[in-house]
Amino acid sequence: QKEVEQNSGPLSVPEGAIASLNCTYSDRVSQSFFWYRQYSGKSPELIMSIYSNGDKEDGRFTAQLNKASQYVSLLIRDSQPSDSATYLCAVSPTDFQGGSEKLVFGKGMKLTVNP
Amino acid sequence: EPEVTQTPSHQVTQMGQEVILRCVPISNHLYFYWYRQILGQKVEFLVSFYNNEISEKSEIFDDQFSVERPDGSNFTLKIRSTKLEDSAMYFCASRVEATQYFGPGTRLLVL
Repeated sequence: QKEVEQNSGPLSVPEGAIASLNCTYSDRVSQSFFWYRQYSGKSPELIMSIYSNGDKEDGRFTAQLNKASQYVSLLIRDSQPSDSATYLCAVSPTDFQGGSEKLVFGKGMKLTVNP
Repeated sequence: EPEVTQTPSHQVTQMGQEVILRCVPISNHLYFYWYRQILGQKVEFLVSFYNNEISEKSEIFDDQFSVERPDGSNFTLKIRSTKLEDSAMYFCASRVEATQYFGPGTRLLVL
């Protein structure tokens, strides 16, 4: 069974700090990796996607992927109170050009950024 | 910016009743999904739909569930005889390339 595991959390950081969120996945053939942000009672909102090993930066967000270790992480620099949300790691088991490309989600990590 | 829309936002029903949840995917997307999230739990895949047929379904998606694309814009999830454990947020998503965009969800409460 394909699993996606995230640190149990919750995580609390002061405003301006770096928040580090981690995720491991069990299916070695996974090709696509995503971080979604979910505010309470709302739907998941895509923050970052990453498909190849290494780092990918977008503004204050950096996603890191290590396929050999089956590990993906999200760094949030200069954390803001508005970043307070649950962050969901999601993995798609196959390349997006074939298969249903369903997403398998982790349980999520609740992040609180304190002013 | 185009968005996935879902109706209704909330639905309360009695156990054993049929419900239909509606979604309008983003217009140029071809792949559609339903997920659910029971309160406090992870988002779970239910079904994927492409080219007017189911491409994959999970163990949750049993004979009580069905999906349909009745016209060129709507995508529906029907639960034939609701159970208490069907109470959850139901999210529709549509995909272009690798990225799935989620609708705002329908909160279903089965009494």
